[in-house]
Amino acid sequence: QVQLQESGPGLVRPSETLSLTCTVSGGSITSHYWSWIRQPPGKGLEWIGSVYYTQNTDFNPSLKSRVSISGHTSENQISLQMTSLTAADTAVYYCARGGEVLTGPHDAFDIWGQGTMVIVSS
Amino acid sequence: DIQMTQSPSTLSASVGDSVTFTCRASQSISRWLAWYQQKPGKAPKILIYKASILESGVPSRFRGSGSGTEFTLSITSLQPDDFATYYCQQYKDFAPYTFGQGTKVEIK
Repeated sequence: QVQLQESGPGLVRPSETLSLTCTVSGGSITSHYWSWIRQPPGKGLEWIGSVYYTQNTDFNPSLKSRVSISGHTSENQISLQMTSLTAADTAVYYCARGGEVLTGPHDAFDIWGQGTMVIVSS
Repeated sequence: DIQMTQSPSTLSASVGDSVTFTCRASQSISRWLAWYQQKPGKAPKILIYKASILESGVPSRFRGSGSGTEFTLSITSLQPDDFATYYCQQYKDFAPYTFGQGTKVEIK
């Protein structure tokens, strides 16, 4: 079955850039939408953005100026970069699978990674 | 953005109880709604999509209903494993997808 595994640095300095990777096993990244979603400690879920066909993206308008997402077919990975980090970006970051590309973006997130905690602190 | 509002924020119940909680959208989302269950330290798990369709493997004691702007998630005969936080999410608009703030079901 499809499994997702996030990886990245646990600690990032303020103003620096965060880079996270989601490795997909058991299925190809080319067939679905893939999203990054985050959850600050003790708070709710915030959708960051999504990618399909490796380079087609949509972003949360609140984060759009600081975020890029791409897919890498050779490694079967999805990556997230977020710039100009502040303490408000401290959160667990999840990658999640959306619907099939052929059926469009109107679909729920059926598979999630375990998440990776990112702390922004000097 | 479509705002999703869940109520109540916390619900206290006992094993065996039946509970219902609500998710309201700031505009019509037809039936483009999902429910997720999240336990501490774990990723959310999908329970229901398209407002009322049970994800494979989810127990039938979970039931989703509603359309337009008002939706409910019901759990009959609460089990110990059901004490968790539940989130609704709309996917009518995908930039951005939005979640409710969650309903925590705790042991009375």
